[in-house]
Amino acid sequence: DTEVTQTPKHLVMGMTNKKSLKCEQHMGHRAMYWYKQKAKKPPELMFVYSYEKLSINESVPSRFSPECPNSSLLNLHLHALQPEDSALYLCASSQARRVGTEAFFGQGTRLTVV
Amino acid sequence: DQQVKQNSPSLSVQEGRISILNCDYTNSMFDYFLWYKKYPAEGPTFLISISSIKDKNEDGRFTVFLNKSAKHLSLHIVPSQPGDSAVYFCAASELGGQNFVFGPGTRLSVLP
Repeated sequence: DTEVTQTPKHLVMGMTNKKSLKCEQHMGHRAMYWYKQKAKKPPELMFVYSYEKLSINESVPSRFSPECPNSSLLNLHLHALQPEDSALYLCASSQARRVGTEAFFGQGTRLTVV
Repeated sequence: DQQVKQNSPSLSVQEGRISILNCDYTNSMFDYFLWYKKYPAEGPTFLISISSIKDKNEDGRFTVFLNKSAKHLSLHIVPSQPGDSAVYFCAASELGGQNFVFGPGTRLSVLP
């Protein structure tokens, strides 16, 4: 099973809403990632969790709040977003801190902020 | 400053021919390289990877070549099929690193 499952697939939210994106994997991976991808651009790293601890935060605004409740789950809590935050949000997982490991991506959540 | 570059935004190839997608990188600390394929509105799908200790890795129709001295890698797809039409991203990571740095992608169109 090399599947990373993200829910919801699509989300439309207002600028005053609070919502959460969810990600789940059962590959035993101990590194999980949130990436953001705008149209015609490559995925850009937002956060990395390693062994359920936040290890990288790429200067992401505080209106994005990650959470890793256990080794299989990763959430991204959204609050007071701006229209420019509309993008495809990708979750990924990999074996933690090993040479020669690939990241497996979910299908993404297409977020539209209105 | 882009650490991973894919200088061809698009490539068109006839079905059955070879597709060659190129990637250059600037960070000499990168030691693991990956190719991902992406369809619109989907997440990237891992295709093939190569460690810096190798210069070639082959998996079916896909072969990745690495020229470490030139900081260049390429993905060869042969024979190309219409289902290969997608955006291909080159990505790189450092030893013990926790980030996968992506290039801007190349859109491959395989024409029947």
